[in-house]
Amino acid sequence: KAGVTQTPRYLIKTRGQQVTLSCSPISGHRSVSWYQQTPGQGLQFLFEYFSETQRNKGNFPGRFSGRQFSNSRSEMNVSTLELGDSALYLCASSTQWGAATDTQYFGPGTRLTVL
Amino acid sequence: SQQGEEDPQALSIQEGENATMNCSYKTSINNLQWYRQNSGRGLVHLILIRSNEREKHSGRLRVTLDTSKKSSSLLITASRAADTASYFCATAPHNTDKLIFGTGTRLQVFP
Repeated sequence: KAGVTQTPRYLIKTRGQQVTLSCSPISGHRSVSWYQQTPGQGLQFLFEYFSETQRNKGNFPGRFSGRQFSNSRSEMNVSTLELGDSALYLCASSTQWGAATDTQYFGPGTRLTVL
Repeated sequence: SQQGEEDPQALSIQEGENATMNCSYKTSINNLQWYRQNSGRGLVHLILIRSNEREKHSGRLRVTLDTSKKSSSLLITASRAADTASYFCATAPHNTDKLIFGTGTRLQVFP
């Protein structure tokens, strides 16, 4: 089976712009979770989608949003980018919802740089 | 705030030696997972241990869990240069379905 794929792998944006990141889960996986990784804050949970519904959300401002499509692919959007949004954004898929209860399979990440 | 904290933050050993990393957490959990990350890439799941388990093995990996002390350890035996990576524990607290990652241990294995 193909692994989790994320596009694009690298992205450079300027403050105030918006960005959309994409994640394709492993075939058959219906749960997709998103994480932000920065040197200062480490790995932080953003949100989880299962069957096109957001099931869980982390402590991030409303500028961070996401959605999931019927084929389980997920997109994450960040509006009005700030310098502090520069990070590695990781998506993970699993068979069940409730990211904590099941093995998470991670993609390679999208490295976002905000200038 | 992060649930788990790993100790040490960094560890350097020679090939063939064992590496031990510890993870402490704050609240009751359903399970604890260990992940490996190579140089800013995606994470790879290593092992999941449930709250009613005390020890688990997978190849050269051995994980222990002490829920009374709210701590876990990951032992990598006979380490190899390819084990060089950051290792994270992630906990699944009782009151949430979120997976909360620790601060990580950077392991360097010298050939």
